[in-house]
Amino acid sequence: QITLKESGPTLVKPTQTLTLTCTFSGFSLSTTGVAVGWFRQPPGKALEWLALIYWDDDKRYSPSLNSRLTITKDTSKNQVVLIMTNMDPVDTATYFCSYILTNNWFAPWGQGTLVTVSS
Amino acid sequence: SYELAQPPSVSVSPGQTASITCSGDKLGDKYICWYQQKSGQSPVLVIYQDSKRPSGIPARFSGSNSGNTATLTIRGTQAVDEADYYCQTWDSGTVVFGGGTKLTVL
Repeated sequence: QITLKESGPTLVKPTQTLTLTCTFSGFSLSTTGVAVGWFRQPPGKALEWLALIYWDDDKRYSPSLNSRLTITKDTSKNQVVLIMTNMDPVDTATYFCSYILTNNWFAPWGQGTLVTVSS
Repeated sequence: SYELAQPPSVSVSPGQTASITCSGDKLGDKYICWYQQKSGQSPVLVIYQDSKRPSGIPARFSGSNSGNTATLTIRGTQAVDEADYYCQTWDSGTVVFGGGTKLTVL
C-alpha cells in the first residue's frame, strides 16, 4: 500500500524560504519509472502543479515558479523535499505530494499540509 | 504554455447524467486524467488514460477524449458525487491542470 504524508511549517513570514517534506512508504524512489510530484491549492482555488522528481533524479518545475523552486530526494529516507524561496501571502495554500509511475497518473495523494504566509 | 479549460460549475439532478468538459488544443492527441476532490479532502483519481477507471471507482464514471475536448460523464449521479473535478494532462514533460469544475447535485 502506497502512502505519502506532507510535513513542514504551518506559518512562514513573507520573504522567508519554505521547506516541505514528503515522507512516503510502499515504494522506492530508486525504482525505474517512479516519481513524486508536489502540488498546491490556495483556499477556494484550483490545483496547481509545482515540481516533479524522477527515480533517476530528473527534475521538472512549473514554468511560472521555476526560479523559486528546488526539489530533491533522499532515497534512503523515503523522502522528497520541496524548497520554495521568497514566500509571499499569495503562496498561502495547502501543499500536496503524490506518487506517479511512468508519467501516467497521480495516485495516491498525501493528505496535504496548509501553509500560511503572514507577518 | 499549454492550457486546459473547464466550466467553473455544472449542476445536475440526482439520478441524471452529468457531463464535465475539458478543452485544449489537440487534446485528443494526449492522455487525460480526471480527479475528484471533495471539500476538505485530497484529490482522488477517477479516470486515467482518457477512459479507464481505477479499481474502486464506480462504473457510473466514464471518460472520453477526442479532438479538442475531453469529457467526464457521471451517469445516475448521486449526492456523494458532489465535488470539484479537475482534468490533467502532460505537455512537454510538464503537468497541466484544468481550472476545475464544481459539480452540484441539486
